[in-house]
Amino acid sequence: EAGVTQSPTHLIKTRGQQVTLRCSPISGHTSVYWYQQALGLGLQFLLWYDEGEERNRGNFPPRFSGRQFPNYSSELNVNALELEDSALYLCASSLSGADEKLFFGSGTQLSVL
Amino acid sequence: SQQGEEDPQALSIQEGENATMNCSYKTSINNLQWYRQNSGRGLVHLILIRSNEREKHSGRLRVTLDTSKKSSSLLITASRAADTASYFCATDSGTASKLTFGTGTRLQVTL
Repeated sequence: EAGVTQSPTHLIKTRGQQVTLRCSPISGHTSVYWYQQALGLGLQFLLWYDEGEERNRGNFPPRFSGRQFPNYSSELNVNALELEDSALYLCASSLSGADEKLFFGSGTQLSVL
Repeated sequence: SQQGEEDPQALSIQEGENATMNCSYKTSINNLQWYRQNSGRGLVHLILIRSNEREKHSGRLRVTLDTSKKSSSLLITASRAADTASYFCATDSGTASKLTFGTGTRLQVTL
């Protein structure tokens, strides 16, 4: 069974640009979560999607947004990139929003120059 | 915001030794989970302990939970070089949608 897949694995952008990150959850999982992990830091919760709807978002500005598609895959969009957006972006999925355990992808390493 | 704070931030031991890392948290929880992260990649779920449990085992892992002190510990026995990773505790107020991760402990196991 395939795990959570994320693309691309690495990305280099410049300040002010926009970026889209993609995530495919484990088959059968309806909930997708996005986390930001800046170098050497813990995970900061970004967004939670379940059944196609945004259910919760963390303390991030509106230029961080996303969506979930009917097949439960998800995109994370970041507009007007800033240097401090450089981080590892992790996607995770769970069987449902009521499930307790997360399954993580390998992440997208974003560097903003 | 970080709910869990791991201690120590970094730990270096030799293969065969035991490794203990601690996690403290601030609010009441339904369960506490430990995850492992290799080389800044994705996290892997290790073990979940519920608020009404005090100790749980899984292979070489032993987790304890003290809700009165709002703390947990993860013990890895007979460590191996392959255990080298960062370990995160995550507190859960009921569902994965509410998981809050700590800052992690970096474990280095040398031969």
